[in-house]
Amino acid sequence: AQSVAQPEDQVNVAEGNPLTVKCTYSVSGNPYLFWYVQYPNRGLQFLLKYITGDNLVKGSYGFEAEFNKSQTSFHLKKPSALVSDSALYFCAVRDSSSGSARQLTFGSGTQLTVLP
Amino acid sequence: DAEITQSPRHKITETGRQVTLACHQTWNHNNMFWYRQDLGHGLRLIHYSYGVQDTNKGEVSDGYSVSRSNTEDLPLTLESAASSQTSVYFCASSTGTATGELFFGEGSRLTVL
Repeated sequence: AQSVAQPEDQVNVAEGNPLTVKCTYSVSGNPYLFWYVQYPNRGLQFLLKYITGDNLVKGSYGFEAEFNKSQTSFHLKKPSALVSDSALYFCAVRDSSSGSARQLTFGSGTQLTVLP
Repeated sequence: DAEITQSPRHKITETGRQVTLACHQTWNHNNMFWYRQDLGHGLRLIHYSYGVQDTNKGEVSDGYSVSRSNTEDLPLTLESAASSQTSVYFCASSTGTATGELFFGEGSRLTVL
């Protein structure tokens, strides 16, 4: 079975400061990991994904994420937060070895608020 | 540009009524999914389809059904709406590869009174 956890419901950060949104996962095989962002009253938008290779993945809007296999983590980061980054962020995982390898399992989401 | 559209965006109905939420994608994706989003639960998978005439149950499928008669559409039907089905519903699609991301619609907010 595949699962993903986002341990923080809410993250607050001052504008201009670095931000981190945490995600840990559990899979049997190799993980395919994804980050999505949701703005109010909108659908989820894809930010970035890790499939294989370089542990640091760069994505849209200046976001990046670091894959750490030993810690089973895939934390989302940005060097300098903007007020417009305030949104709900979801981590998702797909187990490459699962029979239902085409399904994504989502975390419960982290509300990021960037304070001016 | 390719897109995925949901209708209606907002719906209010009464307990016991049948409701159908439409989902239409022009990505030509084989895979389509329906999720519901509730506070504290994130996104939970209701039903999914890997192609025409294929449908499968997700983790919260009770009270819901889907049908896939063509590539573009996956309507979600609530046979007899219940207050517990008040939620925001998202349709998504993806390619057939395990590494592909999902593309989401804008959501349908359903209120069951």
